Amino acid sequence: SQQGEEDPQALSIQEGENATMNCSYKTSINNLQWYRQNSGRGLVHLILIRSNEREKHSGRLRVTLDTSKKSSSLLITASRAADTASYFCATAHSGGYQKVTFGTGTKLQVIP
Amino acid sequence: EAGVTQSPTHLIKTRGQQVTLRCSPISGHTSVYWYQQALGLGLQFLLWYDEGEERNRGNFPPRFSGRQFPNYSSELNVNALELEDSALYLCASSFTGRGDYGYTFGSGTRLTVV
Repeated sequence: SQQGEEDPQALSIQEGENATMNCSYKTSINNLQWYRQNSGRGLVHLILIRSNEREKHSGRLRVTLDTSKKSSSLLITASRAADTASYFCATAHSGGYQKVTFGTGTKLQVIP
Repeated sequence: EAGVTQSPTHLIKTRGQQVTLRCSPISGHTSVYWYQQALGLGLQFLLWYDEGEERNRGNFPPRFSGRQFPNYSSELNVNALELEDSALYLCASSFTGRGDYGYTFGSGTRLTVV
């Protein structure tokens, strides 16, 4: 079963607005990662936040992690049409070797 | 530095046939992962190879199999293809099997079963 669940499933905003996507997970994690997928192509790694971190920035991206609530959010500021894509959170579970489990994704549409 | 390369990019097969998909990881990456993404859906974990060994597999039937070669490249084999196997098959690689550094994905192989 999927570990991460993104919310909302779809989001449509105007260019220049901010976009916020949320991810919830069920079990303890080592880190949480966000990926972008353009139109059925491969995924691109955006940012990784470790379980002992609460916030991380990369350009226009801001990721927060609340391990007590088992949730994370991805904020894209000043969105652009090129940000139109599906965004996935992925969780790396605690303890030894593990696989990374992907959520169901949020489809973001940025309208020019 | 070359990224993760997958071949072929597109494939059309007939139900009941067999298919082999190939993946070359980034140089230095020893772990290779395979995911299936049906149209409009999330990623379903298929297989994970590290240092030539199968470390974990997802909830897929045995007709999905693979292997990793000494140069860390990998193959995914699907036997007795069914219509519902139509999907984008994504390969990813990483430095370690612990997901510490995130994955680098290839562009995928689009498989259509008719």
